[in-house]
Amino acid sequence: AQSVAQPEDQVNVAEGNPLTVKCTYSVSGNPYLFWYVQYPNRGLQFLLKYITGDNLVKGSYGFEAEFNKSQTSFHLKKPSALVSDSALYFCAVRGRGSGNTGKLIFGQGTTLQVKP
Amino acid sequence: SQTIHQWPATLVQPVGSPLSLECTVEGTSNPNLYWYRQAAGRGLQLLFYSVGIGQISSEVPQNLSASRPQDRQFILSSKKLLLSDSGFYLCAWSPLAGISTDTQYFGPGTRLTVL
Repeated sequence: AQSVAQPEDQVNVAEGNPLTVKCTYSVSGNPYLFWYVQYPNRGLQFLLKYITGDNLVKGSYGFEAEFNKSQTSFHLKKPSALVSDSALYFCAVRGRGSGNTGKLIFGQGTTLQVKP
Repeated sequence: SQTIHQWPATLVQPVGSPLSLECTVEGTSNPNLYWYRQAAGRGLQLLFYSVGIGQISSEVPQNLSASRPQDRQFILSSKKLLLSDSGFYLCAWSPLAGISTDTQYFGPGTRLTVL
């Protein structure tokens, strides 16, 4: 069965410090991986995705994520956190061969709190 | 560019009343459409998805139903709301079916409170 795990309910980091939000996945075959961010009472915003190619993917707002096939991970990173990065972050995966449905499997979310 | 709309933004309904939430997408054709529910500000539960007009797939048995009367319109309904139907409802779309690399894009959501 396909699944996504975000092992941390909350990550706390000081402004200006690097941040990492962890994600591991389990899917048959090579996955498509996504990160989304959600601000309070808003819909999800797409940050970045890995399909193939370079393992380091750059996305919106200075975020990047590293695909590690051997560790089945896709951690979200940013070199210098901003207070405005405080939000709920979701990792998602789509297994190849899911046909034309486009369905994603989402992790439970990680709250990022950046303190000034 | 493509945009996705949901309305209403917030809704307070009594138990046993009907429900209709609407989602429309502009600037694209033949999108895949999705309804999610988010409880307690955490994980997303996929409720329904649609790959075309009149084609609805249900992911979980529940008190809700969905319809797609037009290519870019997706409606979530209930005949009688339950307390457990409270939550944040999100609609999403992804580009033309069959391109499996495509990203889902989310609407602003509807906050439903059932009293």
